[in-house]
Amino acid sequence: EVQLVESGGGLVQPGGSLTLSCSASGFTFSTYPMHWVRQAPEKGLEYVSVISNNGETIYYADSVKGRFTISRDNSKNTLYLHMSSLAAEDTGVYYCVKALGTTAATRYYHCWGQGTLVTVSS
Amino acid sequence: DIQLTQSPSFLSASVGDRVTITCRASQGISNFVAWYQQKPGKAPKILIYAASTLQSGVPSRFSGSGSGTEFTLTISSLQPEDFATYYCQQLNTYPLTFGGGTKVEIK
Repeated sequence: EVQLVESGGGLVQPGGSLTLSCSASGFTFSTYPMHWVRQAPEKGLEYVSVISNNGETIYYADSVKGRFTISRDNSKNTLYLHMSSLAAEDTGVYYCVKALGTTAATRYYHCWGQGTLVTVSS
Repeated sequence: DIQLTQSPSFLSASVGDRVTITCRASQGISNFVAWYQQKPGKAPKILIYAASTLQSGVPSRFSGSGSGTEFTLTISSLQPEDFATYYCQQLNTYPLTFGGGTKVEIK
């Protein structure tokens, strides 16, 4: 069974940094791209970032570009999101997500973690 | 970036009603659309991909259609467990943007 477990969320002051982790199991982690999606309180879903299976190709949403860094350690089956220069607008639940495949026809999100809450406040 | 506009953003309906949600893309995206259902405090769940393909295990009262720039999610007979928020997502081009969501509430 595919499982994604996020950790690392918490309260951080504006301008601060935080690193989220996502531990993956139940599939061959090193063969799949991995994604982060976030959701502000009482708001919709927002795509954050994706990293290819080997880490060589990365995309970021404009809202986080230059502040967030996605990475992965395939030897540990773990995905990371390092967040810096955090602002109140970054508050929300961050989900680690696995797509079924890599093509436009198959990269829908078939497995989500439970999410980890990040609160940016003084 | 491709923008997705969902309508309505809020919908009040009764058990047994037929419900239709629309998702419009700012440019053509073939049939590369997925639909998700999210209940309060839970992660979203995939319902439909490739615009009209039902994910395994999803009840047949859910259906999707469309191509190009206009897509619909239909629930043929709303059940109590269907009261939730629904999102479309385009899979054509990164970033894989979402629609704003449609909250379906009990009338």
